[in-house]
Amino acid sequence: TQLLEQSPQFLSIQEGENLTVYCNSSSVFSSLQWYRQEPGEGPVLLVTVVTGGEVKKLKRLTFQFGDARKDSSLHITAAQPGDTGLYLCAAKDQAGTALIFGKGTTLSVSS
Amino acid sequence: DAGVIQSPRHEVTEMGQEVTLRCKPISGHNSLFWYRQTMMRGLELLIYFNNNVPIDDSGMPEDRFSAKMPNASFSTLKIQPSEPRDSAVYFCASSPHLAGFNEQYFGPGTRLTVT
Repeated sequence: TQLLEQSPQFLSIQEGENLTVYCNSSSVFSSLQWYRQEPGEGPVLLVTVVTGGEVKKLKRLTFQFGDARKDSSLHITAAQPGDTGLYLCAAKDQAGTALIFGKGTTLSVSS
Repeated sequence: DAGVIQSPRHEVTEMGQEVTLRCKPISGHNSLFWYRQTMMRGLELLIYFNNNVPIDDSGMPEDRFSAKMPNASFSTLKIQPSEPRDSAVYFCASSPHLAGFNEQYFGPGTRLTVT
């Protein structure tokens, strides 16, 4: 069974701090996606990483795909209250069609 | 362009009643997914369609759950009879196609409470 393990489960920080959240698996994936879900809304796609070792930046967010394509990280620089939400990683299942999701990291940034 | 539309946004019903959740995917998207989200289990895939045809319903928890997609612009998820353990947020998502990255666009969800 493919699993995406996300850590930490919860993270509470002050505005301006840096943080990193992780998405790990024992399976190799052809690509991996990160979503952010704000309270009362559906998840919104942030980025898709495809190549082992790939780094993508989205303003203050930096996404990295592991060299072996089994894991990924999301680093946020100088977190702001607007970054608060549930961060989910997702990858295609073994059939290569549907996505499987991790349980997510709940981030709270206070001012 | 409008995103994925779900209705109702909130549903409160009594145990044993029938519940129907509705979804309108993004126009032109070929794939549609129904998910359930709870604190304990996270986001679980229930069923998905490609070109209006159900592809995999192995995530549907019981026979009480059924889903249809009569045309490219509409899908329903029905629970009959509903039980308190069905209480969750149900999301519909659509994707341009199953091939490729299968990047999904989610609706705002329906929060279901069964008392």
